[in-house]
Amino acid sequence: SQKIEQNSEALNIQEGKTATLTCNYTNYSPAYLQWYRQDPGRGPVFLLLIRENEKEKRKERLKVTFDTTLKQSLFHITASQPADSATYLCAFRTGGFKTIFGAGTRLFVKA
Amino acid sequence: GAGVSQSPSNKVTEKGKDVELRCDPISGHTALYWYRQRLGQGLEFLIYFQGNSAPDKSGLPSDRFSAERTGESVSTLTIQRTQQEDSAVYLCASSLEGTRGNTEAFFGQGTRLTVV
Repeated sequence: SQKIEQNSEALNIQEGKTATLTCNYTNYSPAYLQWYRQDPGRGPVFLLLIRENEKEKRKERLKVTFDTTLKQSLFHITASQPADSATYLCAFRTGGFKTIFGAGTRLFVKA
Repeated sequence: GAGVSQSPSNKVTEKGKDVELRCDPISGHTALYWYRQRLGQGLEFLIYFQGNSAPDKSGLPSDRFSAERTGESVSTLTIQRTQQEDSAVYLCASSLEGTRGNTEAFFGQGTRLTVV
């Protein structure tokens, strides 16, 4: 079955550095990937979508890459801030019309 | 409404009781999802509604779980004979499905269910 894997270990970085989160998937070739942010006690919030024919997508301090050969997406936050601390989830939609999510990676940005 | 609304926000119930969770999606959104999120875990897909099509129920963990949706509006998720393992946050999301179905999902705040 389709599977998404994200690093379960929390990522701790210093303010101002670039945070890089990884999303790997297996048993499927999604047409696109989505990234969401989730804060404690709240539902996920959509951040970015990248299509299979796009190598890279940017939005302000966020950058997402999509490597269909490696079956991997990387999510970067440049010039990170303590307010960026949250759990980041990647997701894709399967051929069966359901969106599946990874378990997420917690990011802590220290001032 | 302005966003996806879920009620109740918190529910504590005794083991063996039935519970009903409600989701009001964003007006005009044809797709509606239910997910379960256990503490410290990712989102577990439960069920997907899309317009008048038959729902995708492949994620429902047992026959104690069921969900209904009236047209393209309110959905209810019912859990019968609740067990302690059902304790989790239940998240509802809706989206405006385009021709490629790749539009973003908008989530509610979730219902935190505790079975004691």
